[in-house]
Amino acid sequence: GENVEQHPSTLSVQEGDSAVIKCTYSDSASNYFPWYKQELGKRPQLIIDIRSNVGEKKDQRIAVTLNKTAKHFSLHITETQPEDSAVYFCAASREDDKIIFGKGTRLHILP
Amino acid sequence: DSGVTQTPKHLITATGQRVTLRCSPRSGDLSVYWYQQSLDQGLQFLIQYYNGEERAKGNILERFSAQQFPDLHSELNLSSLELGDSALYFCASSTNTGGLEQFFGPGTRLTVL
Repeated sequence: GENVEQHPSTLSVQEGDSAVIKCTYSDSASNYFPWYKQELGKRPQLIIDIRSNVGEKKDQRIAVTLNKTAKHFSLHITETQPEDSAVYFCAASREDDKIIFGKGTRLHILP
Repeated sequence: DSGVTQTPKHLITATGQRVTLRCSPRSGDLSVYWYQQSLDQGLQFLIQYYNGEERAKGNILERFSAQQFPDLHSELNLSSLELGDSALYFCASSTNTGGLEQFFGPGTRLTVL
């Protein structure tokens, strides 16, 4: 069945460095790829998303890239800060609304 | 605050019991999604409703059911509860279909003893 693989499951980076989280999807009909951030004990929050007709999207320190041919997309966080520590989820969705989330990446920003 | 509300915040019950979780979407949102998040697990999509109609189904057990009412609030019914059903249950809403731009509620933590 459809699947979204997310790597790594845990990531530790020094404050100020960049972090990259990668996802691959199996359903070629997927056309919408959101990223959610979930802080401890809180609800997931949408931080950035990309649609299949775009290859890259940026929002301040956050960017997402999409390679439709390879069926993978990535989240890039630059100049990481302590408040970036959280669990990040990627997801893939298609027109009939079935959405599949990756298992999450726990990001630790080290002082 | 996302504008999505969920009640109750916490629920403790026994195996074999039945519970109902409630979700009110953001004003104007027609889609409601339900998710299950177990400890250290990702978000498992359960089911989606759009304007009162079931739109998409994920890994929802037969013991679970949901509905969306004319005022667009939604309820998730969990029956014959098992220990493994203990989890955080989130609902999310969006203005349209296609899983776009979902806003999550605070979740209901269900503990089955």
